Amino acid sequence: AQTVTQSQPEMSVQEAETVTLSCTYDTSESDYYLFWYKQPPSRQMILVIRQEAYKQQNATENRFSVNFQKAAKSFSLKISDSQLGDAAMYFCAYLDSNYQLIWGAGTKLIIKP
Amino acid sequence: SAVISQKPSRDICQRGTSLTIQCQVDSQVTMMFWYRQQPGQSLTLIATANQGSEATYESGFVIDKFPISRPNLTFSTLTVSNMSPEDSSIYLCSAAGLNTEAFFGQGTRLTVV
Repeated sequence: AQTVTQSQPEMSVQEAETVTLSCTYDTSESDYYLFWYKQPPSRQMILVIRQEAYKQQNATENRFSVNFQKAAKSFSLKISDSQLGDAAMYFCAYLDSNYQLIWGAGTKLIIKP
Repeated sequence: SAVISQKPSRDICQRGTSLTIQCQVDSQVTMMFWYRQQPGQSLTLIATANQGSEATYESGFVIDKFPISRPNLTFSTLTVSNMSPEDSSIYLCSAAGLNTEAFFGQGTRLTVV
């Protein structure tokens, strides 16, 4: 069975600086999707970025980028120029063959002004 | 992208009663899911809502306690039956289309007293 591990329960970063959130996963599949979701205090789950495993190029979305290391089964999220609005819980997720998302435990990101 | 309207956003209920949560998607989607989330924790999948047939429940969740309906491709309901304080949680519905991206409702914060 697939598993997703986020080893950082909480991270903090100074506003305007860069922070990296870690995620590792375990799977025997060769083709799959990985996601980072953001959940602010409003509870709304927001997709930040997605990565298709067959693509070697790392996905980027404005200030958000991933470092996808397929062999190492690592999928970290880098947030550049951190803003106060980035404060939230961040969840790493793996999409299995039944279209179900396997979730990591989450990382709480604190932005220091 | 799909927009999901989830109602109610919050409720306080007496133990022994039932609450039905509704989830309306603004477009037809292939998959719909119901999750439970304790504050500050990750998401736990309750069940996959199948259109026109019985939902598929995860281990630890049963139909008598969490009956689910999905009469069409845009709507689903989750009922929390015979509630106890242990059912106090956040309930989230999610929908996914063929592009695999999952969208979420705003969540329902349930408090059972």
